[in-house]
Amino acid sequence: QVQLVESGGGVVRPGRSLRLSCAASGFTFSTYAMHWVRQVPGRGLEWVAVIYYDGSNKYYGDSVKGRFTISRDNSKNTLYLQMNSLRAEDTAVYYCARPVVALSLYGMDVWGQGTTVTVSS
Amino acid sequence: QSALTQPASVSGSPGQSITISCTGTSSDVVVYNSVSWYQQHPGKAPKLLIYEVSSRPSGVSNRFSGSKSGNTASLTISGLQAEDEADYYCSSKRTIGTWVFGGGTKVTVL
Repeated sequence: QVQLVESGGGVVRPGRSLRLSCAASGFTFSTYAMHWVRQVPGRGLEWVAVIYYDGSNKYYGDSVKGRFTISRDNSKNTLYLQMNSLRAEDTAVYYCARPVVALSLYGMDVWGQGTTVTVSS
Repeated sequence: QSALTQPASVSGSPGQSITISCTGTSSDVVVYNSVSWYQQHPGKAPKLLIYEVSSRPSGVSNRFSGSKSGNTASLTISGLQAEDEADYYCSSKRTIGTWVFGGGTKVTVL
């Protein structure tokens, strides 16, 4: 079945780096744009980044621009989020999400279970 | 990057209809028919209810409907049920390729 599985979360000190992965299965990964969304426990959703289906375009939220990099390997059906210069305020559950329709950006229909990133000294 | 504006809470009795508003700007809700709505129960990943303002993914109850007028999008839940008690978020594409979520609305079934 259609599935997204995030991994790579953990506890990291401020200023350090972490790379998240999102393994996709059950659909043609290479035809879908992909988003990263995060959520501080007890708080709302925050959009982090999007990458187009072919990796040609990438956009970031203001709070992570210049520190985070979204990428994908369509041959491995995997999405990545490289997080550098981590701050305490980056502590959150990170979700990858897929739009409802191929070649579209709209409507995040499939979500992973989330991976928790904790930035603390 | 300011969030879309949603009421913090909305409540209703079983069987009633409620509407959640989502107010944006000329950089997002006004110019893009990209508003989506999500339902999130505690400890769970969000679930897509509505996309492109008023489209429902397969499997989503027709008790959920969406609309937009000017800078405000709305989600209406008709025939409110106990299972509808959850947090609800809107989102929209914003100019220059980015996206934004609303602050979230807690729906309480009385």
